[in-house]
Amino acid sequence: GQNIDQPTEMTATEGAIVQINCTYQTSGFNGLFWYQQHAGEAPTFLSYNVLDGLEEKGRFSSFLSRSKGYSYLLLKELQMKDSASYLCAVLDSNYQLIWGAGTKLIIKP
Amino acid sequence: IAGITQAPTSQILAAGRRMTLRCTQDMRHNAMYWYRQDLGLGLRLIHYSNTAGTTGKGEVPDGYSVSRANTDDFPLTLASAVPSQTSVYFCASSRDKVDTQYFGPGTRLTVL
Repeated sequence: GQNIDQPTEMTATEGAIVQINCTYQTSGFNGLFWYQQHAGEAPTFLSYNVLDGLEEKGRFSSFLSRSKGYSYLLLKELQMKDSASYLCAVLDSNYQLIWGAGTKLIIKP
Repeated sequence: IAGITQAPTSQILAAGRRMTLRCTQDMRHNAMYWYRQDLGLGLRLIHYSNTAGTTGKGEVPDGYSVSRANTDDFPLTLASAVPSQTSVYFCASSRDKVDTQYFGPGTRLTVL
């Protein structure tokens, strides 16, 4: 079966750095996406990786290792507004997104 | 303003009733999707459409139907609602099936 694993919840301090991990086992791979979802709102796109390595976009970076079935999202200089759930999703061989259950990130002052 | 709209925002429905959730996008995206999101679970794909006139089944299609008569609209119909269909429903679209998906604001549906 297909599976995306990510931690259920993480806590970090304002101004710090946090890394959210995602491991996946899917039938095929056509890219990995990270989305942010604030409570009661829709998911919004953060990043996309299809090749191994690091993609940097402002305070957010995402890393991919296809051989290890592993990705992480790195958030720097955390702000209170970063409190949200972070969703990892893989585009499989049928071009369908397989989603993890999400990681709830709690930022403390 | 370009984007995706969904209606209604929320709905309480008696079991056995028929309900259509509406989704419209103005980005001229070819592909559209319907997901449900339940607490503790990832988003699950119900149905999708890669282009106008075609539809396909996702992971959890039972009890739901869709149509794609044109590029912009992708309604989801529950023919006879059951309590297990209580969920938040998100519509999404992408330029094509390999591109980033963009989500509508969601419909919160409660079936009693």
